[in-house]
Amino acid sequence: KAGVTQTPRYLIKTRGQQVTLSCSPISGHRSVSWYQQTPGQGLQFLFEYFSETQRNKGNFPGRFSGRQFSNSRSEMNVSTLELGDSALYLCASSLVGPRIRLPRAEEETQYFGPGTRLLVL
Amino acid sequence: DQQVKQNSPSLSVQEGRISILNCDYTNSMFDYFLWYKKYPAEGPTFLISISSIKDKNEDGRFTVFLNKSAKHLSLHIVPSQPGDSAVYFCAANPGTYKYIFGTGTRLKVLA
Repeated sequence: KAGVTQTPRYLIKTRGQQVTLSCSPISGHRSVSWYQQTPGQGLQFLFEYFSETQRNKGNFPGRFSGRQFSNSRSEMNVSTLELGDSALYLCASSLVGPRIRLPRAEEETQYFGPGTRLLVL
Repeated sequence: DQQVKQNSPSLSVQEGRISILNCDYTNSMFDYFLWYKKYPAEGPTFLISISSIKDKNEDGRFTVFLNKSAKHLSLHIVPSQPGDSAVYFCAANPGTYKYIFGTGTRLKVLA
C-alpha cells in the first residue's frame, strides 16, 4: 500500500506571496492532519480533517487554511507569507483520526508523509 | 504552554546498551500515547503506542512504559543499534481530534 505523499517536497517563496501544499493520504484513510515543524518547537498542530470537515484547528493565524476533498486528499494554503512561516510542513493520515479511544486504537494512529520544506525569503 | 514535554534534547548511548527516552505530560485526561522516530529529510515514522489501560507495551526491541500517577512515559530500546540514531517524538491524544507532540529527543547510538 502506498504511503502518504506530499507535493511539492521543496518550495521557495518570498514574503507576501501565498502557497498551496498538497497531501494524498494512504488509500482508505479518511482523516488528514497537518503539522508545522520548526527547530526546537516540535510538531505544532495546524488542523485536522475528516470526510471533508475540519474537526479541529490549532493556534495559527487565519492566514493558514486548509480543505479536504471527497477523495480524502487535502490541501493547505498559507497567504501573505512571513519569514517565520519557513518550516517543514507535515501531513499525516489515519483511518479515523485522533478521536476517542477505540478497542483497536491502531485505527487512529497517524502515518506521516515526507513533508514539504518551505523557505520564505 | 507545553503539555507534552521531552526535557532531554539529546542522548548518546553505546551500541548494544539500553536507550531510555522520557516524556512527561501535564493533563491526566490524556489516555493514548505514541512514539515516533524521525530521520532527517523524512516524515516521522510510527513506532509504538500505549493506551492508559496498560502500563507497558512491547514490540520487538521497543518497549513503552506508562506511569499514570506520575504522568510519565518512557521508551526503552534494547539493544540500541546505530540505525536507531534519530529524533524521537512522544505524542498524546487529548481526545480533541489532534495529537500533541513533544519537542523531540535526538538519540545518537555510538558504534
